[in-house]
Amino acid sequence: QVQLQESGPGLVKPSETLSLTCTVSGVSITDFYWSWVRQPPGKGLEWIGYAFYSGSTSYNPSLKSRVTISHDTSRNQFSLRLTSVTAADTALYFCARAIRNWDYFFDFWGQGALVTVSS
Amino acid sequence: QSVLTQPPSVSAAPGQTVTISCSGSDSNFGNNFVSWYQQLPGTAPKLLINSNDRRPSGIPDRFSASKSGTSATLGITGLQTGDEADYFCGSWDTRLHTWVFGGGTRLTVL
Repeated sequence: QVQLQESGPGLVKPSETLSLTCTVSGVSITDFYWSWVRQPPGKGLEWIGYAFYSGSTSYNPSLKSRVTISHDTSRNQFSLRLTSVTAADTALYFCARAIRNWDYFFDFWGQGALVTVSS
Repeated sequence: QSVLTQPPSVSAAPGQTVTISCSGSDSNFGNNFVSWYQQLPGTAPKLLINSNDRRPSGIPDRFSASKSGTSATLGITGLQTGDEADYFCGSWDTRLHTWVFGGGTRLTVL
């Protein structure tokens, strides 16, 4: 059974860096692509990006200059780093497994971590 | 404004059938597959449909979907109160080089 769990600070100050970790169980992170998706309060879903453990990445162009997704294969975790945050980055952040072959979709999701950007 | 266009809300009575539309363009639906996600209140999204019309294991056959050209449709038959949720379509956009979601459709089962 594949399970994902987000963790990290729930409050980040403006201009600082948001950091979240997703711990994966039930499957090795080296076998799949892994993504982050966020959802501002009361709004829709926004794709942040995906990464493969080998270093292959793809980021939403609107966030690309501020985003890094990385992996820790020894802990079976992957992480999100978003720099220079503003109130507009306040959202529920989900980690998800991305199936990328001849198709592309997200088949397993974490429960989400709420991050508020406020001083 | 979302790249993929969905109606903000739909409603129907228990036992009835409802359809949710999702309109895209050549750069997303025209070249790539569509997937659909159900987000029950206070929970994470859940994959309902992948590859335009395929149900993952465990998804009831009350849920179905199709794609034609640059439009996609999700259908739900035999509506239950437990189907009340937000439904999102999504696809890769080749021109924008990004994954795009629809704005979401809130289903109310009256």
